[in-house]
Amino acid sequence: NAGVTQTPKFQVLKTGQSMTLQCAQDMNHEYMSWYRQDPGMGLRLIHYSVGAGITDQGEVPNGYNVSRSTTEDFPLRLLSAAPSQTSVYFCASSYSGIRRGSRSYNSPLHFGNGTRLTVT
Amino acid sequence: AQRVTQPEKLLSVFKGAPVELKCNYSYSGSPELFWYVQYSRQRLQLLLRHISRESIKGFTADLNKGETSFHLKKPFAQEEDSAMYYCALRSDSGAGSYQLTFGKGTKLSVIP
Repeated sequence: NAGVTQTPKFQVLKTGQSMTLQCAQDMNHEYMSWYRQDPGMGLRLIHYSVGAGITDQGEVPNGYNVSRSTTEDFPLRLLSAAPSQTSVYFCASSYSGIRRGSRSYNSPLHFGNGTRLTVT
Repeated sequence: AQRVTQPEKLLSVFKGAPVELKCNYSYSGSPELFWYVQYSRQRLQLLLRHISRESIKGFTADLNKGETSFHLKKPFAQEEDSAMYYCALRSDSGAGSYQLTFGKGTKLSVIP
C-alpha cells in the first residue's frame, strides 16, 4: 500500500489564483480529512468526509471546497488564494477499527507527506 | 467544546536527561488520547495511543482522567528524539470519533 499520497509537494500561487491539492489513499479508509499546519497554531481541521458523497466543514473551512466522489480521492480546492492560506496542508485518513469492551475505536489517523503552499 | 493544551512551545533537555511533555485536555465525554510526532519536514506519525498502553521508542503516556492529562514521558532522552510532538484528542461519538483535535505542539530539542 502506498498509504496517503498528496500532490504536489510544493506550490507557489499568486493572490486570486485557484488550485486543487490532491489526496488519494489506497487503504479503503472511509474517513478522510484535510488539516492545515501553521506555526504556533498546531493542526486545524479544514474539511472532512466520512464516506463517498459526504463532506462536512471543520474548524477553518472558509476559502476551501472539497468533494468526495470516490472512496480513494479527497481533493481540496482553493477558490481564490489569499496570503492567509500560506501553510502546510496535510491530508489524513482513518477507518472503523476495533472493539475494546463495550466501545468501538476507529483507527489512528494516517497522514500524507504534506503540501507546502505559498501565496504571494 | 473539546480542547487540548500543550503549555510548552519549546522544551530543551540534555541527552540522557528525563523528558516530560505535558498535555491537558478538556472534554465532557470519554475521550481517546494520542501523541503524534513529526520529525523535521516529515509527515505526522502516531507515537502512542492511550488504549494501546504501549511503550514506543522508550516513550510512555498514561491517561489521568482526574487531572485530565496525558503527559508523555521518557526516562533518558536521545538526540533522535528531537522533533515536534502533538497531543491529540478524539471524541467518542459521531464524526468526532474519527477526527482529532490537536494541541499546538511542543518542540523537543535534545542537546548533545
